Amino acid sequence: AQSVAQPEDQVNVAEGNPLTVKCTYSVSGNPYLFWYVQYPNRGLQFLLKYITGDNLVKGSYGFEAEFNKSQTSFHLKKPSALVSDSALYFCAVRPMDTGRRALTFGSGTRLQVQP
Amino acid sequence: GAGVSQSPSNKVTEKGKDVELRCDPISGHTALYWYRQSLGQGLEFLIYFQGNSAPDKSGLPSDRFSAERTGGSVSTLTIQRTQQEDSAVYLCASSWDRGKYNEQFFGPGTRLTVL
Repeated sequence: AQSVAQPEDQVNVAEGNPLTVKCTYSVSGNPYLFWYVQYPNRGLQFLLKYITGDNLVKGSYGFEAEFNKSQTSFHLKKPSALVSDSALYFCAVRPMDTGRRALTFGSGTRLQVQP
Repeated sequence: GAGVSQSPSNKVTEKGKDVELRCDPISGHTALYWYRQSLGQGLEFLIYFQGNSAPDKSGLPSDRFSAERTGGSVSTLTIQRTQQEDSAVYLCASSWDRGKYNEQFFGPGTRLTVL
């Protein structure tokens, strides 16, 4: 069975500073990895995905994530945070090599960007 | 184009009543997923439909939960004899899901409150 860990319930960062939201995963075989963002009273919005290829993946709104196979991590990063980035962020995984299509999500990390 | 839509946006019901939640996926998407987001449980997979294949029901928490997808498009999630622990936001997602894996697009969710 697969699992995702987001060790921080909340991350606080000042506007303009770099941000990192951590994610580690466990899956049989190779993973598909995703980041989603949820704004208040909204559904989940796709940010970026890792399928194969370059370990550094660039996504929407200036976010990027780095896949590290040896550390089984997929941390979300942004060089300069905006107040509007404040939201709930979810990391998700799906095994590449089996037929199971459903995503397994982490518990979420609340990002708070202070002006 | 239109995204995934869900109705109703909010549903308040009494314990023991049945409820139906509706999902309209993105036109042309072959795969449809139901997830549940509740406090303390995070996001959990419920059921997955792909084309005419038998659905993956492995995430349904009890036999009070069922879902159908008519004509390969609209889906209805039914909860019979609702319990207070069923209170959650029910999210629907769809994806193209052919060839190289494609991300899931989520609807805004239905907030279910069981009194």
